[in-house]
Amino acid sequence: AQKITQTQPGMFVQEKEAVTLDCTYDTSDPSYGLFWYKQPSSGEMIFLIYQGSYDQQNATEGRYSLNFQKARKSANLVISASQLGDSAMYFCAMRERRNAGNMLTFGGGTRLMVKP
Amino acid sequence: KAGVTQTPRYLIKTRGQQVTLSCSPISGHRSVSWYQQTPGQGLQFLFEYFSETQRNKGNFPGRFSGRQFSNSRSEMNVSTLELGDSALYLCASSRSGTGTDTQYFGPGTRLTVL
Repeated sequence: AQKITQTQPGMFVQEKEAVTLDCTYDTSDPSYGLFWYKQPSSGEMIFLIYQGSYDQQNATEGRYSLNFQKARKSANLVISASQLGDSAMYFCAMRERRNAGNMLTFGGGTRLMVKP
Repeated sequence: KAGVTQTPRYLIKTRGQQVTLSCSPISGHRSVSWYQQTPGQGLQFLFEYFSETQRNKGNFPGRFSGRQFSNSRSEMNVSTLELGDSALYLCASSRSGTGTDTQYFGPGTRLTVL
């Protein structure tokens, strides 16, 4: 079974509008972390935001916020006031505590295209 | 503070050859992880090194190997290259790889196998 599912292969958003990128996950580990990365066409993965499974509040980082719904196992990324530079691939990833150390499991990604 | 660097950025090899990719982590980071990205399989975890020891390994054949040096720099090696090894290889570093620790990625090495 897929551990991380991103159901939107591609999305368009108008510049200056907000957009939500979906991510659902599957784990039986009570301790885990969820990450969102942005990958421009250059290839480098840029860290955006992190949410821990025990965090009570949704994470926010500037224009990025994470809508964490633990019971539904979803961790959607919200980008407010989209900019042309936000056009990129976006990946949701999970690290489970039972996997000692660093092992991220990634979703298939969502390609976001911002229209002027 | 310098980011994660990877060399070379681009590489073209032929089937049967071997290749070595290098990764220099952010200063102070002791964990280095490697990922393979292909259009068909997406992003897949290869292995992680921490303090010169392999701490985690993904589901890849033994042709894929790595090591980490005392200065935390890491190399990965792929022997007997196959066409399917063509991919973007990404290296990521973090301080410890536990808790809320975040992995920061390098620009990647794009390997083409002909």
